Amino acid sequence: DIQMTQSPSTLSASVGDRVTITCRASQSISSWLAWYQQKPGKAPKLLIYKASSLESGVPSRFSGSGSGTEFTLTISSLQPDDFATYYCQQYNSYSPFTFGPGTKVDIK
Amino acid sequence: EVQLVESGGGVVRPGGSLRLSCAASGFTFDDYGMSWVRQAPGKGLEWVSGINWNGGSTGYADSVKGRFTISRDNAKNSLYLQMNSLRAEDTALYHCARSNAHYYGSGSYNSYWGQGTLVTVSS
Repeated sequence: DIQMTQSPSTLSASVGDRVTITCRASQSISSWLAWYQQKPGKAPKLLIYKASSLESGVPSRFSGSGSGTEFTLTISSLQPDDFATYYCQQYNSYSPFTFGPGTKVDIK
Repeated sequence: EVQLVESGGGVVRPGGSLRLSCAASGFTFDDYGMSWVRQAPGKGLEWVSGINWNGGSTGYADSVKGRFTISRDNAKNSLYLQMNSLRAEDTALYHCARSNAHYYGSGSYNSYWGQGTLVTVSS
């Protein structure tokens, strides 16, 4: 199985900050990586697919990059609505799909 | 607007069974693969099972293989998860999720998610 790790596990930031979250895969997954945002009690929301493609309707302050085993999600200027937990997911191999453990972005 | 609404969760004793349902609307249901993804309290996301557009291909996480069965009824725009031999470690919020493609497998991701239905396995 492909293992996914994320860093940091928690990130304290202020409105307007540039925020970067890193996701690493235990083996190459090409660009088959998605990023999701989840707020407490809510469904996860797709932000980025294929490592760097912005889902329709997602603000342009979100961006993704990377390929192979290392990926990043960047929020260029953190907004109040962005305080949430972020998960990466590999979909290179469906045996099984695997998610990272999550990064919680909270208010500094 | 895409909507996925899960139901059927509850409290069940170890060894018991539950059947979860997911009612889909706002898109052509039989155009897409579907998955169940669970989240234990305070924990991350774990893919449980997936099914392609016509039910002809299914897959399961090792942790549920042989105990859970995924199915769909395209005429009713509904997805199901039959859960048997439930264990304490199956306690979680179960989300249904729609793929971006006809299938759920390699190369597809989850475009839309429901809010989930809570399953608690406890004696």
